[in-house]
Amino acid sequence: DADVTQTPRNRITKTGKRIMLECSQTKGHDRMYWYRQDPGLGLRLIYYSFDVKDINKGEISDGYSVSRQAQAKFSLSLESAIPNQTALYFCATSDFHGSTGELFFGEGSRLTVL
Amino acid sequence: ILNVEQSPQSLHVQEGDSTNFTCSFPSSNFYALHWYRWETAKSPEALFVMTLNGDEKKKGRISATLNTKEGYSYLYIKGSQPEDSATYLCASYHYGGSQGNLIFGKGTKLSVKP
Repeated sequence: DADVTQTPRNRITKTGKRIMLECSQTKGHDRMYWYRQDPGLGLRLIYYSFDVKDINKGEISDGYSVSRQAQAKFSLSLESAIPNQTALYFCATSDFHGSTGELFFGEGSRLTVL
Repeated sequence: ILNVEQSPQSLHVQEGDSTNFTCSFPSSNFYALHWYRWETAKSPEALFVMTLNGDEKKKGRISATLNTKEGYSYLYIKGSQPEDSATYLCASYHYGGSQGNLIFGKGTKLSVKP
């Protein structure tokens, strides 16, 4: 089983719908991240959390919200999905020293908003 | 906003060729440089994390160097094999960054023909 698990892996939805992407990890890491990948662009940080009580906005947080339900779980919500949120979403984790520690990525959630 | 540049965007080589690509990053307030390998339909996996000027790291046929004073890192692949085909991402971390986390380049897509 993967150490970082994302659900769903693929989702097609309509404009205006609420969508939640879930991420769980078994690595015991404190730090969790949500990234978005669009063709021709690098991975862009949406939100990150350094522990259960810590939530921080990333580069592109508008239109998104997150919840850190436990050390192992970090979910991303789109309250009212719009077509330009169609993208590949990655959850990632790192240990306490995240600036030098590598990121461990989930397998990605491909979201299509019609 | 900090910018990480990778070149070339894509590269096509024959099996057995050696190749290299470049990651350029801001040298100010530098803390760490990451390289990731991202195969199609899989999740990115860390290759190297480097922090010190002059660092050189090697994993099998792949190696990387770091120049923090001029803000660049090279990734070398010796004797490319078809299984090396992937997108190679670099990311840098800087003290005091507004996001407090890694800034990714757009990647170099490598295709190795048998």
